[in-house]
Amino acid sequence: RKEVEQDPGPFNVPEGATVAFNCTYSNSASQSFFWYRQDCRKEPKLLMSVYSSGNEDGRFTAQLNRASQYISLLIRDSKLSDSATYLCVVNPTDSWGKFQFGAGTQVVVTP
Amino acid sequence: NAGVTQTPKFQVLKTGQSMTLQCAQDMNHNSMYWYRQDPGMGLRLIYYSASEGTTDKGEVPNGYNVSRLNKREFSLRLESAAPSQTSVYFCASRDSSGNTIYFGEGSWLTVV
Repeated sequence: RKEVEQDPGPFNVPEGATVAFNCTYSNSASQSFFWYRQDCRKEPKLLMSVYSSGNEDGRFTAQLNRASQYISLLIRDSKLSDSATYLCVVNPTDSWGKFQFGAGTQVVVTP
Repeated sequence: NAGVTQTPKFQVLKTGQSMTLQCAQDMNHNSMYWYRQDPGMGLRLIYYSASEGTTDKGEVPNGYNVSRLNKREFSLRLESAAPSQTSVYFCASRDSSGNTIYFGEGSWLTVV
């Protein structure tokens, strides 16, 4: 079983719509969570950290549910440029620094 | 700013050949990483170096060796390449006090 699991998608989203997707993690002791964005044939880049109380960055909202061990990402008012693969990342407490990546959720925003 | 630089970008190897992927970062980061990315598998950690002079195995270390030559450089060596090592390899670095991982542009390796 993978430590970090994601729905691979693709999520096909009309421009201007809202899309949300989750990621589950297996290590209940994990403390740090992130969303990275990866464009096709490019390197991953940090999109945002995920804080316990939830946080927003413009059109992006991240939530953490420790009880159910999942994090979520919501994208409002989707833009064509939001088309990418979104990677869920966990920094596990028991092997700090060895960041674990999910396989990614592909989002395709259509005109 | 160069950030994380890795070479080569593309390489084709024959089974049994050896090669070294080079990586350097100019951000004065302590931690460096080598990941491989395969379709449907996501990024998997091969080796991790928390600081100069230290290395630690990740999830998929078999068939690889690493050298943390100095604070800037972290190389990955395939001693005897196998087709299962066909993948995209990413080097990355992180400041110990931060949570942002910075990646190189990737190295596309094909073993035939």
